[in-house]
Amino acid sequence: DARVTQTPRDKVTEMGQEVTMRCQPILGHNTVFWYRQTMMQGLELLAYFRNRAPLDDSGMPKDRFSAEMPDATLATLKIQPSEPRDSAVYFCASGQGLAGPGDTQYFGPGTRLTVL
Amino acid sequence: KNQVEQSPQSLIILEGKNCTLQCNYTVSPFSNLRWYKQDTGRGPVSLTIMTFSENTKSNGRYTATLDADTKQSSLHITASQLSDSASYICVVSAGLSGGYNKLIFGAGTRLAVHP
Repeated sequence: DARVTQTPRDKVTEMGQEVTMRCQPILGHNTVFWYRQTMMQGLELLAYFRNRAPLDDSGMPKDRFSAEMPDATLATLKIQPSEPRDSAVYFCASGQGLAGPGDTQYFGPGTRLTVL
Repeated sequence: KNQVEQSPQSLIILEGKNCTLQCNYTVSPFSNLRWYKQDTGRGPVSLTIMTFSENTKSNGRYTATLDADTKQSSLHITASQLSDSASYICVVSAGLSGGYNKLIFGAGTRLAVHP
């Protein structure tokens, strides 16, 4: 049963610390999405990659956030320095297309980040 | 401005009853509309994906409708079960240049099914 995996599942850190979240997409999927979800804002798209290249990262605060795909089996989202307002659940999703009509996205379980 | 609005914000129904969730959007150019179910503490799961030309699509007890003229969609749940308690998120995909799509999310409807 193929699924998207994310680590860590929970992370508590102090303001100013670096945070790295990891995602392993489903094997064979060539599109990876990063989302953030809060009670206030709901689900927001931060960035997405196609064949490891960033296609759209307009939703991501550039000054402190960065997203990469070092290889086809690993996507990372890094926050440096972290701030309390970054507290949220971060989801990774993967798919085989660019969110077109035939492209289902499969979400991971999320990383719950708390910045104190 | 591209927007997706869902109503109601929350809903409580009794087990076995039907319910309908609404989604209105102003997204252009429209590519497709998706409904997701998100259980507490989990990632969203896709229920349906509909294109401009599709009026209705079913997935078990879930039936989504789309009226592209009025830019409205609904998700109808039949014979609700306790396991239907979740948030339901409407997402509209805008087709951008370069062949890729931008996803615009609704805030979701939180459904509680009581015994």
